[in-house]
Amino acid sequence: DADVTQTPRNRITKTGKRIMLECSQTKGHDRMYWYRQDPGLGLRLIYYSFDVKDINKGEISDGYSVSRQAQAKFSLSLESAIPNQTALYFCATSPPRGTDTQYFGPGTRLTVL
Amino acid sequence: QKEVEQNSGPLSVPEGAIASLNCTYSDRVSQSFFWYRQYSGKSPELIMSIYSNGDKEDGRFTAQLNKASQYVSLLIRDSQPSDSATYLCAGYTSGTYKYIFGTGTRLKVLA
Repeated sequence: DADVTQTPRNRITKTGKRIMLECSQTKGHDRMYWYRQDPGLGLRLIYYSFDVKDINKGEISDGYSVSRQAQAKFSLSLESAIPNQTALYFCATSPPRGTDTQYFGPGTRLTVL
Repeated sequence: QKEVEQNSGPLSVPEGAIASLNCTYSDRVSQSFFWYRQYSGKSPELIMSIYSNGDKEDGRFTAQLNKASQYVSLLIRDSQPSDSATYLCAGYTSGTYKYIFGTGTRLKVLA
């Protein structure tokens, strides 16, 4: 089984709908991250969490919210989806040391019509 | 200045040649550096990590870090068509405990 899973893998929705993307991990890491990727823009950080009670905004948090339900679960919500939120979304985890890499989920491709 | 910068490419090299990918970073990014390979629509996968000045080799891949000049590079020897992908450079910011990514360089290895 994959260490970091994301559901759904693909989602098409309409403008104004509320959408939740879910991430689960079996790595046992405290740190979890949500990124979005757009062509030519690399990975941009939306939110990150260092434990259940520690949630922080990233560089592009407007229009998004998150919930850390447990150490292993970190969900991203789009309260009212808009077309420019169409992107590939990745969840990642990492150990606490900065010398360790992040581990990425398979991604969710979201299309907002 | 962006915190981590890469040339977007595409960088085209013939099969069997050495591909050289470069990345520069700002003062905020100082601790550790990572190179990821990403195929279209897939998640990034770690190729190399480097923390100290100098070279680090792993098979066909060599990462180079020069902290004085604030650049990190990735060399791919004997490039293969399967190496065609986007390569992401990332740095870890010890102050804010975040990973900062460059926009990626697209590599094309021509058979």
